[in-house]
Amino acid sequence: DIVMTQTPLALSVTPGQPASISCKSSQSLRHTDGRTYLYWYLQRPGQSPQLLIYEVSNRFPGVPERFSGSGSGAYFTLRITRVEPEDAGLYYCMQTIHRPRTFGQGTRLEIK
Amino acid sequence: QVRLQQSGPGLVKPSQTLSLTCDISGDSVSSKIAAWTWIRQSPSRGLEWLGRTYYRSKWYYDYAESVGSRVSINADTSKNQFYLELRSVRPEDTAVYYCARDDYASGNYFAQTDFWGQGTLVTVSS
Repeated sequence: DIVMTQTPLALSVTPGQPASISCKSSQSLRHTDGRTYLYWYLQRPGQSPQLLIYEVSNRFPGVPERFSGSGSGAYFTLRITRVEPEDAGLYYCMQTIHRPRTFGQGTRLEIK
Repeated sequence: QVRLQQSGPGLVKPSQTLSLTCDISGDSVSSKIAAWTWIRQSPSRGLEWLGRTYYRSKWYYDYAESVGSRVSINADTSKNQFYLELRSVRPEDTAVYYCARDDYASGNYFAQTDFWGQGTLVTVSS
């Protein structure tokens, strides 16, 4: 199975400051169709994961502009320009190009 | 807006069958641009995909090797629901189980899992 490795596993950020999470895949996630099947989710405490970013850099409808994704091949980054209190929770990356789909182990974002 | 509402027991005895239902609103279980998925989450295994079903002129089924022949996922078009059955459960199957939708509306070849149910904590214990 493809291994998705996130760093850091935890970070603590003051509101208004930026945050960044990395995700490394054990194989490239780019398909011959030109698309890269890497996704980012936020799981707030007690809630289900919610889709933030699809195919590396596309914000899902309703996701604030302060969230952005970048990367290619096997290296990806999720950035939050100015963290807000409601951004607290667990962030996961996920790939779906290789079967079975696999998830990163999660990065816990704490708001100071 | 798609909504997925889960139901089912929170406690199952070892060796018995775990059964969960996911009720769909805002989409159709027989949509040809969606698939219907089950994922579980536990502290020891993290998020783990279990399998899915989808309709493309006939029903298809795709299961994770990690649960192998113990799992079945089926759909009922008359109720617009889909179901998870996990047989011969053991304590390590204790987890929060989620149903979710894989969307293919944008022409993506691989799944985009966009909407999730609220989750059901299932404990396997005698």
